[in-house]
Amino acid sequence: DARVTQTPRDKVTEMGQEVTMRCQPILGHNTVFWYRQTMKQGLELLAYFRNRAPLDDSGMPKDRFSAEMPDATLATLKIQPSEPRDSAVYFCASGSPSGVEQFFGPGTRLTVL
Amino acid sequence: GENVEQHPSTLSVQEGDSAVIKCTYSDSASNYFPWYKQELGKRPQLIIDIRSNVGEKKDQRIAVTLNKTAKHFSLHITETQPEDSAVYFCAASDRGSTLGRLYFGRGTQLTVWP
Repeated sequence: DARVTQTPRDKVTEMGQEVTMRCQPILGHNTVFWYRQTMKQGLELLAYFRNRAPLDDSGMPKDRFSAEMPDATLATLKIQPSEPRDSAVYFCASGSPSGVEQFFGPGTRLTVL
Repeated sequence: GENVEQHPSTLSVQEGDSAVIKCTYSDSASNYFPWYKQELGKRPQLIIDIRSNVGEKKDQRIAVTLNKTAKHFSLHITETQPEDSAVYFCAASDRGSTLGRLYFGRGTQLTVWP
């Protein structure tokens, strides 16, 4: 059963520290999405990639967030420096070349103290 | 861009009753409408979807209807069970221009009482 994987599952850090979240999309999927979920804002799209190229990162605060796909099996989302308002669950989702369905990873729960 | 609105934000039903969640969208070019179920602490999971070339799709106890003229679509759950309790999200996409980007509604917290 192919699934999107994310690490770490939980991260507690102090304000000002760097945070890196990783995502492994389903093998063969060429589109990767990063979402942030909070009670207040719901599911927000931060950035997405197709064939490793960034398509849209307008949902990301550019001064502190960055997203990359170093290879087809790894996507990363980095926050530097982290702030308490970044506390949220961050989901990665992947999509296949032939379809529009998106499949979500288990998420990374980030707490910034 | 696309704007998806979802109602109600919370819904409580008795076990065995039906539940209906409604969404509207703004972009007439949208042609793909999935529904996701998210249990507490879990990932959103795709439960059913519909494309703009059909008006209704069923899968056991769940069904989705689409009215392209009015730009709204609905999720229907019949014979609800306590395990249906979750947050449900609707979404819309125009795969051609947005390359698979989904625009999500704010979610509906469904509670099914035994």
